[in-house]
Amino acid sequence: DTGVSQDPRHKITKRGQNVTFRCDPISEHNRLYWYRQTLGQGPEFLTYFQNEAQLEKSRLLSDRFSAERPKGSFSTLEIQRTEQGDSAMYLCASSHRLGTSGKIAKNIQYFGAGTRLSVL
Amino acid sequence: SQQGEEDPQALSIQEGENATMNCSYKTSINNLQWYRQNSGRGLVHLILIRSNEREKHSGRLRVTLDTSKKSSSLLITASRAADTASYFCATVANTGNQFYFGTGTSLTVIP
Repeated sequence: DTGVSQDPRHKITKRGQNVTFRCDPISEHNRLYWYRQTLGQGPEFLTYFQNEAQLEKSRLLSDRFSAERPKGSFSTLEIQRTEQGDSAMYLCASSHRLGTSGKIAKNIQYFGAGTRLSVL
Repeated sequence: SQQGEEDPQALSIQEGENATMNCSYKTSINNLQWYRQNSGRGLVHLILIRSNEREKHSGRLRVTLDTSKKSSSLLITASRAADTASYFCATVANTGNQFYFGTGTSLTVIP
């Protein structure tokens, strides 16, 4: 257990429905990442937050996807009007930010167990 | 698109043998990390090597980095059945903002 928790672990939904996933990072981590992973592939970056600010979004993140981290603690990832192509494992990770000198002292990511989404 | 490519895609060895997997990447990096993923689980960090380092050891793991060839290798010595998992390299750019994961090597260690 890395200390990052994701809920739910599994989600089955029908095409066209909206789904929301939650991630609770390690409490002292101020960076939070979302990834999507399909079978046989590595995680693909979706977006990341530093505290409550969403600093970067991948082109993979269509306007059906939205992520929030309202108080700089937990985060939610919502997918609207789901499509079968959205079926994947959605992973959340957290890490410390860069050191004040700008150097990457220990930028290691701690992953949750993921939410597996199946769109029927 | 993903930054790294691992080679081989799949590797099957006997317990006690060494396992070597390779990672190639495309752009300049600040550091490169290796992660492990058991089936249906999240990734777990194994080891980090900075761009100014050439080799690093941690227990039964040995990582090398050749920035001129933009490649890295992960060696697991004296493998165990519990090492069965997928292994991913992740490159971290100088901004430190994004991690780019490779396609992974699926390792099977036969008892």
